[in-house]
Amino acid sequence: EIVLTQSPGTLSLSPGERATLSCRASQSVSSSYLAWYQQKPGQAPRLLIYGASSRATGIPDRFSGSGSGTDFTLTISRLEPEDFAVYYCQQYGSSPELTFGGGTKVEIK
Amino acid sequence: QVQLVQSGAEVKKPGASVKVSCKASGYTFTSYGISWVRQAPGQGLEWMGWISAYNGNTNYAQKLQGRVTMTTDTSTSTAYMELRSLRSDDTAVYYCARGIAAAGILKYMDVWGKGTTVTVSS
Repeated sequence: EIVLTQSPGTLSLSPGERATLSCRASQSVSSSYLAWYQQKPGQAPRLLIYGASSRATGIPDRFSGSGSGTDFTLTISRLEPEDFAVYYCQQYGSSPELTFGGGTKVEIK
Repeated sequence: QVQLVQSGAEVKKPGASVKVSCKASGYTFTSYGISWVRQAPGQGLEWMGWISAYNGNTNYAQKLQGRVTMTTDTSTSTAYMELRSLRSDDTAVYYCARGIAAAGILKYMDVWGKGTTVTVSS
């Protein structure tokens, strides 16, 4: 099973700042099969990015994904008030099991 | 619009079973899969497994093998997840999500239900 480690655990930033979230895999994630989700308190997760860098329908272009192999990054170019949430990475394709990272909380500084 | 509507909250005793439903609308049900993900209080996301609504093939997380069964009713565009021999650590919010797959392999989930709270307590 591929283990995904997200860092930092918590990111304290102000609106307008840039957020950089990391997701590291214990072994190579084939063909950049990596997704990112956003979850706000009391809500279901929402798909942001799939295929490591493709934005899902309706996702603002301030969200971008990059990376390959074992190192992936979600970048939020300028934080809006509604972006403060928990973010999860998820890998697929390398094994029958799909796995999530432990999450990064982006909080208001 | 694409929507997944889940059944209501459940309270169960240890050792019992629970069956959660997920009714899909707004898309061709058999063209996608349904994945189930749970989240214990204050914890992260845990993938439970998924079912292809096209052919009924399933893939379960190894941790839950033998305790979980996922099914679909294509006549009503509804997916079901049954979890047996419930324990206190099964207390969680259970989400269904539309699964995007290729060559029979689940890739990611693009639409999610609002979740069903299952509480296991004596």
